[in-house]
Amino acid sequence: DVKVTQSSRYLVKRTGEKVFLECVQDMDHENMFWYRQDPGLGLRLIYFSYDVKMKEKGDIPEGYSVSREKKERFSLILESASTNQTSMYLCASSLFLAGGNQPQHFGDGTRLSIL
Amino acid sequence: ILNVEQSPQSLHVQEGDSTNFTCSFPSSNFYALHWYRWETAKSPEALFVMTLNGDEKKKGRISATLNTKEGYSYLYIKGSQPEDSATYLCAFKSQAGTALIFGKGTTLSVSS
Repeated sequence: DVKVTQSSRYLVKRTGEKVFLECVQDMDHENMFWYRQDPGLGLRLIYFSYDVKMKEKGDIPEGYSVSREKKERFSLILESASTNQTSMYLCASSLFLAGGNQPQHFGDGTRLSIL
Repeated sequence: ILNVEQSPQSLHVQEGDSTNFTCSFPSSNFYALHWYRWETAKSPEALFVMTLNGDEKKKGRISATLNTKEGYSYLYIKGSQPEDSATYLCAFKSQAGTALIFGKGTTLSVSS
């Protein structure tokens, strides 16, 4: 079974801090994704990556950056955390670009609170 | 802007009831339609990936149909059980798009 592991289930940070959310997958998937989930808004794509050192902006990239130095790891960075970035963050991976006809495999999520 | 709509937003049924939800998506440039189940405190789990008009897929008591010409998919749950309580997400991928577009989900609550 594919395992997607996010480094923290719950995280509390302060406004202005630089925040790192880590995600590791163990199935050699090319594609990795970062989403955020907010009540009433559904899953929204922040960034995705289809190869090492490659990244593409999703629907809401502002205030975020990503890093993919190794195939199995995809990091989401909040450069200067703000309260409107309080949310549930989900990482996912898949075999082909954007899943296509292959399902995405999700981590358990990180509930991030910015105070 | 491509939009994926799910209805109803939430519903509550009794154990043993059968139920269904709808996912509506753009009917042009269709590539794939995904269904996921997201239980509280767990990660979303893929149920089905459907690519052909008229596709019907089944997993236990859960099944799904796909109509790409009119742009909708139905998810059916036969004989709902409390463990079926979850949010069900559909996601659409167009031929031109590079990412999945998710609906807001249907939250199902099953009482015993």
